[in-house]
Amino acid sequence: DVKVTQSSRYLVKRTGEKVFLECVQDMDHENMFWYRQDPGLGLRLIYFSYDVKMKEKGDIPEGYSVSREKKERFSLILESASTNQTSMYLCASSLRQGAGGTEAFFGQGTRLTVV
Amino acid sequence: LAKTTQPISMDSYEGQEVNITCSHNNIATNDYITWYQQFPSQGPRFIIQGYKTKVTNEVASLFIPADRKSSTLSLPRVSLSDTAVYYCLMVLYNQGGKLIFGQGTELSVKP
Repeated sequence: DVKVTQSSRYLVKRTGEKVFLECVQDMDHENMFWYRQDPGLGLRLIYFSYDVKMKEKGDIPEGYSVSREKKERFSLILESASTNQTSMYLCASSLRQGAGGTEAFFGQGTRLTVV
Repeated sequence: LAKTTQPISMDSYEGQEVNITCSHNNIATNDYITWYQQFPSQGPRFIIQGYKTKVTNEVASLFIPADRKSSTLSLPRVSLSDTAVYYCLMVLYNQGGKLIFGQGTELSVKP
């Protein structure tokens, strides 16, 4: 059974803290994604990685960075957490796009609250 | 900018067929159209994907006209458990399979 695992389901952090959200996939996928989801806004792409050490900014990268040192692991870093980063964070992985399209698999999400 | 537009919400009754239409006017030649379903407190789940014409699986059908600027997800005989948010998105071929979600359609199925 394919799996994308996020390290925490719920997290509470203080303003100004450095926060690490971890995501691991066991499907040998090239692509990994970090999204945040807020009511009425759908899923917004923060960062996308298509290979180890490779990354691309998504629609809302400000205040975030990412790390992909190994193929199976993609970390999202909040450099200095702020209350407006309180949100649900979703990680996903997929094969690199080829002929025939590709399906993405999502983790269960991490609900982060910054106080 | 890859962008999809779909209705914010829809209501239906059990046993009805539901059709959700999505527009994607700036779809590129090699992009695929994909639909995901999301229940509360869960990550989105893949439903169906297509490039053109019609695709059918055990869950849904996807209709894509020749110009590919829109697509319609068809859910036959919905039940209460189909109440969820449905997202239409494009898989951006020239960007390695990047996925850009829109706001989604909140489907409410009533008894």
